[in-house]
Amino acid sequence: GENVEQHPSTLSVQEGDSAVIKCTYSDSASNYFPWYKQELGKGPQLIIDIRSNVGEKKDQRIAVTLNKTAKHFSLHITETQPEDSAVYFCAAMGTGSYIPTFGRGTSLIVHP
Amino acid sequence: DAGVIQSPRHEVTEMGQEVTLRCKPISGHNSLFWYRQTMMRGLELLIYFNNNVPIDDSGMPEDRFSAKMPNASFSTLKIQPSEPRDSAVYFCASSLMGETEAFFGQGTRLTVV
Repeated sequence: GENVEQHPSTLSVQEGDSAVIKCTYSDSASNYFPWYKQELGKGPQLIIDIRSNVGEKKDQRIAVTLNKTAKHFSLHITETQPEDSAVYFCAAMGTGSYIPTFGRGTSLIVHP
Repeated sequence: DAGVIQSPRHEVTEMGQEVTLRCKPISGHNSLFWYRQTMMRGLELLIYFNNNVPIDDSGMPEDRFSAKMPNASFSTLKIQPSEPRDSAVYFCASSLMGETEAFFGQGTRLTVV
């Protein structure tokens, strides 16, 4: 089955800095890679995703990159704000499988 | 739509007691997932239903855990008997089959003492 590794487990940055979270996956058949944000006391919520036919996708201050050859993908947050503080999960999903396999999560702390 | 609704939000129970967690998926969604979240293991998939039928229950830790989906708008996760190591946050999520986004409920924080 799919195995998703996520690093770092904790990331502390100053407001305005950039944050990068990296994930690797094991199943070369995976072709959909969502990122979820979990705020305190809430369930994870999809914030951005990327499919295997695309190398990069941006949405305002967040961007995701995908390297299918190396089987890794990353989340980039620019100009971080305190409200970006949360736990972020990457996930991978394969063709015909609608079950995401999640990474262990990254706790992002943005200091004002 | 109110989103995925889970109840209770918090549950504290004594070891050995039966615990039932409840989930109402988003109306029209036909896939439902139960996840367990702990610091040690992150988000673990316990069971996945499609059109009310359990498709993959390989993540259910042991026979003490059982899940049902009697209709499209309701699912339960039962632990009997509960043990302290079952303490975790349990999430229910739903999606439309063929779509990729899973919508999560707010979770049930279970503490077994």
